[in-house]
Amino acid sequence: EPEVTQTPSHQVTQMGQEVILRCVPISNHLYFYWYRQILGQKVEFLVSFYNNEISEKSEIFDDQFSVERPDGSNFTLKIRSTKLEDSAMYFCASSGRDTRGEKLFFGSGTQLSVL
Amino acid sequence: AQKVTQAQTEISVVEKEDVTLDCVYETRDTTYYLFWYKQPPSGELVFLIRRNSFDEQNEISGRYSWNFQKSTSSFNFTITASQVVDSAVYFCALRGDSNYQLIWGAGTKLIIKP
Repeated sequence: EPEVTQTPSHQVTQMGQEVILRCVPISNHLYFYWYRQILGQKVEFLVSFYNNEISEKSEIFDDQFSVERPDGSNFTLKIRSTKLEDSAMYFCASSGRDTRGEKLFFGSGTQLSVL
Repeated sequence: AQKVTQAQTEISVVEKEDVTLDCVYETRDTTYYLFWYKQPPSGELVFLIRRNSFDEQNEISGRYSWNFQKSTSSFNFTITASQVVDSAVYFCALRGDSNYQLIWGAGTKLIIKP
């Protein structure tokens, strides 16, 4: 079964520092996403990306966040100046379509801790 | 507006019992997709099933089964003969055809006792 791969699995950073979370989506997928989950809470949508541009973003995804697909395989989330409240598990996801519609798969997540 | 409600915060059963996790959704889209994901203690999100709004056939996969009832906007998940390894948080999620994001329920923590 193909997988979405995320690195690193854990990231510790100081408040105000920039972080880049990396993802390798499933190779034939066309839609890419970032979600986050603050400890003990529900999963929240951040952004979706299709055809090299953002297709939808949430209120959480403010000017401190950006996404990029720098080459044919990687998909990155950058947080420019981290805040304490950015501490969360960040999940990358990708989706493809079959005859029954969309299938959405998640990576194992990057646990971001902002100190 | 779209919304997913998982009213059961936590369920605890003894191994081998059957257990049903409830999911009720709201959407104005006529085409939409419903998902169930499992989040074990290790934290990853494991895809279990995807259901389209236009496909009302219920599905069984081993000990797992899903009951999609469009009339009551519910998509319930049943585990038959539960096992300790089924212990996890289970999330129900919805995506309408008018947008890209998944709307998540709050999750149900399932504890299977030996």
